Amino acid sequence: DAEITQSPRHKITETGRQVTLACHQTWNHNNMFWYRQDLGHGLRLIHYSYGVHDTNKGEVSDGYSVSRSNTEDLPLTLESAASSQTSVYFCASSGLGSYEQYFGPGTRLTVT
Amino acid sequence: QKEVEQNSGPLSVPEGAIASLNCTYSDRGSQSFFWYRQYSGKSPELIMSIYSNGDKEDGRFTAQLNKASQYVSLLIRDSQPSDSATYLCAVHYPSGSARQLTFGSGTQLTVLP
Repeated sequence: DAEITQSPRHKITETGRQVTLACHQTWNHNNMFWYRQDLGHGLRLIHYSYGVHDTNKGEVSDGYSVSRSNTEDLPLTLESAASSQTSVYFCASSGLGSYEQYFGPGTRLTVT
Repeated sequence: QKEVEQNSGPLSVPEGAIASLNCTYSDRGSQSFFWYRQYSGKSPELIMSIYSNGDKEDGRFTAQLNKASQYVSLLIRDSQPSDSATYLCAVHYPSGSARQLTFGSGTQLTVLP
């Protein structure tokens, strides 16, 4: 069955380190999204991509980057992790012409 | 600013009752609306999509859309303890080629046995 996966599921890192969170989907969806979810803020969009080599900034993109080299993957990189980036991160995807987004299981990131 | 407002709750209903969850949005041009269910510690799961005014039913779930009043609601009939979760409303705001959704902060529902 087609699916969307994220790895790692849990990560503890130190302030200042570079961290990459992986997102992989097998639906052949064009659109992929990264969100963070924090108590009191709901889901906030970090970056998104509408296809290979396309990337766009969301509302909370500072300190994060993405690249899209193929249809299946959209890795999220924290260039220099900060304690404010402690959060749960969700990847989502949607198909061509659809706004219905399907979410991965999430990654819980703790920056100490 | 494009907003999606939901009552944060918590909303408690007894088992077997109807749970009513409401959502308002700020842009009259919106055409696509979604309800997600999120269990504690899990990811959001799409449960309903609605695009036209009126009601859309799927099992025990009914989504209602009123574009003139800019609100969308979700009714859960015969509520079960397994329906206890946070329900997120999401709206697509049309703007150029944008395909993002704007999410509300969610309503926490507890169904009491």
